[in-house]
Amino acid sequence: DAGITQSPRHKVTETGTPVTLRCHQTENHRYMYWYRQDPGHGLRLIHYSYGVKDTDKGEVSDGYSVSRSKTEDFLLTLESATSSQTSVYFCAISETSGMGGELFFGEGSRLTVL
Amino acid sequence: GENVEQHPSTLSVQEGDSAVIKCTYSDSASNYFPWYKQELGKGPQLIIDIRSNVGEKKDQRIAVTLNKTAKHFSLHITETQPEDSAVYFCAASKGNQGGKLIFGQGTELSVKP
Repeated sequence: DAGITQSPRHKVTETGTPVTLRCHQTENHRYMYWYRQDPGHGLRLIHYSYGVKDTDKGEVSDGYSVSRSKTEDFLLTLESATSSQTSVYFCAISETSGMGGELFFGEGSRLTVL
Repeated sequence: GENVEQHPSTLSVQEGDSAVIKCTYSDSASNYFPWYKQELGKGPQLIIDIRSNVGEKKDQRIAVTLNKTAKHFSLHITETQPEDSAVYFCAASKGNQGGKLIFGQGTELSVKP
């Protein structure tokens, strides 16, 4: 299995509180991604990173920010959590951005916003 | 932007039967189509992929076909086994943006012994 660790794995929080999810990889892959998974929507890309301090938005980026200060860590922050952000969040890594650059996913972080 | 539709949402088959999952995409510029399998409580895992310059690809009991004209692609699993039970996702991306995948909604496959 690819060396990807997500933390926390489960979190319950209240509306309006800040939340940070962490993704740590030991593969030294350049590309890192945050996806969210919701019933009926599959997985949707939130933000991605193509290097240290290099990040860009995905298709559902509103309400989220990211940071990558080291190759191995990619943080996803919800500045003020809302109930619509209740979801399972997956971090993924890849060695290349080109076709056939397999995405390796972490085991997910389940976030519940009350 | 790209939109990927996946059908059916649930599929139940008897062990040994074949299973087919179908996806359509909207952006003709998409050229990379992976399939991921997700077991309960785990992250998705790539099982097979196909590029737009190929019409079919096989790997043991699984195969994927692509029809660029109709903009649809399908996953075929033959001789299904109980361990094939999982959620399957199709996805699409384009150019050098392989990691920026647009996923279908998922198909929950149940293989009954």
